[in-house]
Amino acid sequence: EAGVAQSPRYKIIEKRQSVAFWCNPISGHATLYWYQQILGQGPKLLIQFQNNGVVDDSQLPKDRFSAERLKGVDSTLKIQPAKLEDSAVYLCASSLVSADTQYFGPGTRLTVL
Amino acid sequence: AQSVAQPEDQVNVAEGNPLTVKCTYSVSGNPYLFWYVQYPNRGLQFLLKYITGDNLVKGSYGFEAEFNKSQTSFHLKKPSALVSDSALYFCAVRVFGQLTFGSGTQLTVLP
Repeated sequence: EAGVAQSPRYKIIEKRQSVAFWCNPISGHATLYWYQQILGQGPKLLIQFQNNGVVDDSQLPKDRFSAERLKGVDSTLKIQPAKLEDSAVYLCASSLVSADTQYFGPGTRLTVL
Repeated sequence: AQSVAQPEDQVNVAEGNPLTVKCTYSVSGNPYLFWYVQYPNRGLQFLLKYITGDNLVKGSYGFEAEFNKSQTSFHLKKPSALVSDSALYFCAVRVFGQLTFGSGTQLTVLP
């Protein structure tokens, strides 16, 4: 069974530029999550989708971050404009249902200069 | 609000010795508890979880964890450490859907 796929694996941008990350969850998983992991910290949930609907986006900085999962499968996370403090690893995870174990992708390491 | 504490940033153990990585939690209600491992430049890999039932949970790669409700702890253990176990370990708790992670413990197994 294929795991959670993410791309790109690494991205370097300058502040005020925009960037987008892509995630393809495990086949059949209805719930998809985006996490931000700053160096030396545990992952922090940004947004949770159930199929193509948002369940929880309470910790998403909505002035600059946006995410979508239009067809209930793949998802994109966008940052516009990026700030220095957005430098982090962005992890995508999926689960069969929201109460199930979450499985993580390899992450995208973002460096904002 | 739920929270997880991993009191040790770094744990060193000799290969072949038993290892323990500590985790305590604070929640309202019955917790679901998880351990994940992260290798360099890779995502988190699921090790084990406690939902209900036996307090001793067995997981992947010979790891196990003991749920202690009175001490609100969920320590990760392995009887005999391998050098390949060296990685960053995260404890997490889930109540009402959201998963909250600890800050992580770097485990180094010395040959």
